[in-house]
Amino acid sequence: AQSVAQPEDQVNVAEGNPLTVKCTYSVSGNPYLFWYVQYPNRGLQFLLKYITGDNLVKGSYGFEAEFNKSQTSFHLKKPSALVSDSALYFCAVRTPSGAGSYQLTFGKGTKLSVIP
Amino acid sequence: NAGVMQNPRHLVRRRGQEARLRCSPMKGHSHVYWYRQLPEEGLKFMVYLQKENIIDESGMPKERFSAEFPKEGPSILRIQQVVRGDSAAYFCASSPPGTVNTGELFFGEGSRLTVL
Repeated sequence: AQSVAQPEDQVNVAEGNPLTVKCTYSVSGNPYLFWYVQYPNRGLQFLLKYITGDNLVKGSYGFEAEFNKSQTSFHLKKPSALVSDSALYFCAVRTPSGAGSYQLTFGKGTKLSVIP
Repeated sequence: NAGVMQNPRHLVRRRGQEARLRCSPMKGHSHVYWYRQLPEEGLKFMVYLQKENIIDESGMPKERFSAEFPKEGPSILRIQQVVRGDSAAYFCASSPPGTVNTGELFFGEGSRLTVL
């Protein structure tokens, strides 16, 4: 079975500082990894994904994430945080094939608060 | 291009009533997914459908829940005889043909069910 862990329920960062939101995963085989952001009372918006290729993936709104196979991690990063980045962030994983390959498995989410 | 449309956005039901949630995928998308988000939790996969076919319903509770995606019209998630534990946000997502594994999902804004 596949699983995702987001070890921090909340991350606080000052505006202009770099931010990191952590994610580790467990899956059989090669993972497909995704980050989504959710604003209050809204649906999830896609930020970026890793399927194959370069370990550093760049996405929307200046976010990037680094796939680390040995540490089974896919941490989300941004060099300079904005107050408007404050939201709930979800990491998700999917397997390329087999049972459950249609399913995105989500972490519990990390609430990011950017302090002015 | 309209996004994934869900209605109603908010639904209140008394225990024992039926809830019907509707989802119209993005134009050109033939895959529909339903996810449930409980308070303080990530999204949990429920079911994956294509037109007139249920592909994967492994996340659906065995009783009272059903889903369909007819040839014409929106996908419908139906919950019979609702109980308080069904109170949650139900999200629909869609994806275009050929991207089931590698592509991101496009989410609607959710239907929030409250069972009194």
